[in-house]
Amino acid sequence: SAVISQKPSRDICQRGTSLTIQCQVDSQVTMMFWYRQQPGQSLTLIATANQGSEATYESGFVIDKFPISRPNLTFSTLTVSNMSPEDSSIYLCSAGQGGTYEQYFGPGTRLTVT
Amino acid sequence: QKEVEQNSGPLSVPEGAIASLNCTYSDRVSQSFFWYRQYSGKSPELIMSIYSNGDKEDGRFTAQLNKASQYVSLLIRDSQPSDSATYLCAVNDYGGSQGNLIFGKGTKLSVK
Repeated sequence: SAVISQKPSRDICQRGTSLTIQCQVDSQVTMMFWYRQQPGQSLTLIATANQGSEATYESGFVIDKFPISRPNLTFSTLTVSNMSPEDSSIYLCSAGQGGTYEQYFGPGTRLTVT
Repeated sequence: QKEVEQNSGPLSVPEGAIASLNCTYSDRVSQSFFWYRQYSGKSPELIMSIYSNGDKEDGRFTAQLNKASQYVSLLIRDSQPSDSATYLCAVNDYGGSQGNLIFGKGTKLSVK
């Protein structure tokens, strides 16, 4: 299994600003994903981070709001742009090798927008 | 729309008992099934994967899969207070973006 770290672990941001979350994997992985989890709720997939190409976004999520980078097979960033209080949530990065569909999660970033 | 259904709970079992967690899924062609454990304030942790019909055992955990009934379950034997967590069922999104999983809403387990 992969070991995944995320930075920052938590942040409090003002409305209208942007925050970039970093995700680092300890080994090369095929797949990286970004999820959002509201308190007491399940996971909602934001997008699949593709190495060397544009991310694949799920319905309801757009690149202008959640730009994603994946410059190599171990690292990805998610930016939450022009934040509003509705963006307050836990953002989770996961990684997997694709063939087995197994995904391993980072510790998450708890974002509060005031 | 593809769905993964779980009872939200809470499911309360006494210490030492067997906890039984259930999950149904809507996409008949799904091939890969997972159970994640999530402690409060923590991220999900993969505890079981199952890919073929039948039972798969790992320590105190047994995953059971019945593709004909589109049903997957997780049994936890000799339940301990440390098993108290939310358990998420996940299924591969066949036909969706590569590698995607569809998650259920989770079942909260309390062992007392």
